Amino acid sequence: EVQLVESGGGLVQPGRSLRLSCVASGFSFEDHGMHWVRQVPGKGLEWVSGINWNSDSKGYVDSVKGRFIISRDNAKNSLHLQMDSLKDEDTGVYFCAKGSYYDRAGYPFDHWGQGTLVTVSS
Amino acid sequence: DVQMTQSPSSLSASVGDRVTITCRASQEIREWLAWYQQKPGKAPRLLIYKVSTLQTGVPSRFSGRGSGTEFTLTISSLQPDDFAIYFCHHYNIDSAFGPGTTVEVK
Repeated sequence: EVQLVESGGGLVQPGRSLRLSCVASGFSFEDHGMHWVRQVPGKGLEWVSGINWNSDSKGYVDSVKGRFIISRDNAKNSLHLQMDSLKDEDTGVYFCAKGSYYDRAGYPFDHWGQGTLVTVSS
Repeated sequence: DVQMTQSPSSLSASVGDRVTITCRASQEIREWLAWYQQKPGKAPRLLIYKVSTLQTGVPSRFSGRGSGTEFTLTISSLQPDDFAIYFCHHYNIDSAFGPGTTVEVK
């Protein structure tokens, strides 16, 4: 059974940093692109960042470029999102999502974690 | 960047109704279109990908069609478990989700 478990969320002041992690199990992690998607409670979904199987290709939504860095450790079946210079508008539930194939583009997200809540507030 | 819109934003329906949700892209997106279902407090669930391919385990009452910039998700006979929010998703270099359509009890 595919499992994705996020951690690292919490309350943080604007301008500070937070690092999210996602531990994967139940599939061959190194063979799949991975993504972070966020959702303000009660609102829609926003793709934040994606990474291909070997970290050669990474992408970010414009609003986080230069502030967030996605990375992965295939030896540890883990995905990370380093979030710096956080803003109020970064508040939301952050989901880790598995791409259905190796690349980060062109494949839907076939499994999702339950999410971790990030609250940016002074 | 591709922008996705959905209509309606919400609809009220009864068990047994046929329901159709429309998703439009700001430019042609070929076949890179998926649909997800989300229930309160839960993660999204992939229903359909590549416009019309049903994900394993998804009931056949769900179907998708479309091309170019206009796509639809149809539930042929709404069941109690189907009351939820539905999102379309363009999955390419710059992923983009539609704003969602809430299917609620009439």
